Amino acid sequence: EAGVAQSPRYKIIEKRQSVAFWCNPISGHATLYWYQQILGQGPKLLIQFQNNGVVDDSQLPKDRFSAERLKGVDSTLKIQPAKLEDSAVYLCASSQDRNDYGYTFGSGTRLTVV
Amino acid sequence: AQSVTQPDIHITVSEGASLELRCNYSYGATPYLFWYVQSPGQGLQLLLKYFSGDTLVQGIKGFEAEFKRSQSSFNLRKPSVHWSDAAEYFCAVLSGGYNKLIFGAGTRLAVHP
Repeated sequence: EAGVAQSPRYKIIEKRQSVAFWCNPISGHATLYWYQQILGQGPKLLIQFQNNGVVDDSQLPKDRFSAERLKGVDSTLKIQPAKLEDSAVYLCASSQDRNDYGYTFGSGTRLTVV
Repeated sequence: AQSVTQPDIHITVSEGASLELRCNYSYGATPYLFWYVQSPGQGLQLLLKYFSGDTLVQGIKGFEAEFKRSQSSFNLRKPSVHWSDAAEYFCAVLSGGYNKLIFGAGTRLAVHP
C-alpha cells in the first residue's frame, strides 16, 4: 500500500511570497488532514476534510491560508502572503473515515520563510 | 479544553537501558490516546494507541504504554533501548467531535552507545 505522498519536500521563499503544498492521500481514504508543526512544538491541526468537504478549519488562518480537496482525493494547501512565522513543517495525513483512528502521515514539506 | 503535556523536552539514555517517557492529558471523558515517533525528516509513525480495555498496551518496536486514569497519564516504556530508537516522541489525545489529534510538544530521545 502506497503511503501519503507530499511535495515538495523543501521550500524556501521570501516573506510576502506565495507557496503551495500538495498531498496525495492513501487510495480510498475519505478523511484528509493538514497539520502545521513549528520547530520545537507538536503538530497542530489546520484543516480537516471529509471527502471534498471541510469538517474543521477552526485553526486555519483564513486571511492567508487556503486549502482545497477537489474530487475528494488530492489536496493543496496555499499560503499567500507568507510570513516569517509560517516557517514550519506541513504534514498531511489521511484515514479511511472520521471514525478510523489509524492516521497515516506523509513525510511533510519543510517551509522556510526568509 | 483537551490538552497533552510531555514534561521532558530532552531525554538521554544509554543503549540497553530502560526508557520511560511521560505523558499527562487533560480530558473530560475516557480519552483515546496515542504515541507517535518521528525520525529526522520523516513523518509521524504510530507506535501504539489506547481506546479502552486493558490499560497496558503493546505497540510496535517493543514499546508499551500504560494508561492510568487516576494520574491522567499515559507513559511510554521500553525495557531496552536501541540506538535506532533515537527520535522525537509525541503523545496525542483524540479530541471529540471531529476526531482531531491534539499533540504534546514532544520529547527528543538521544541514545548513547
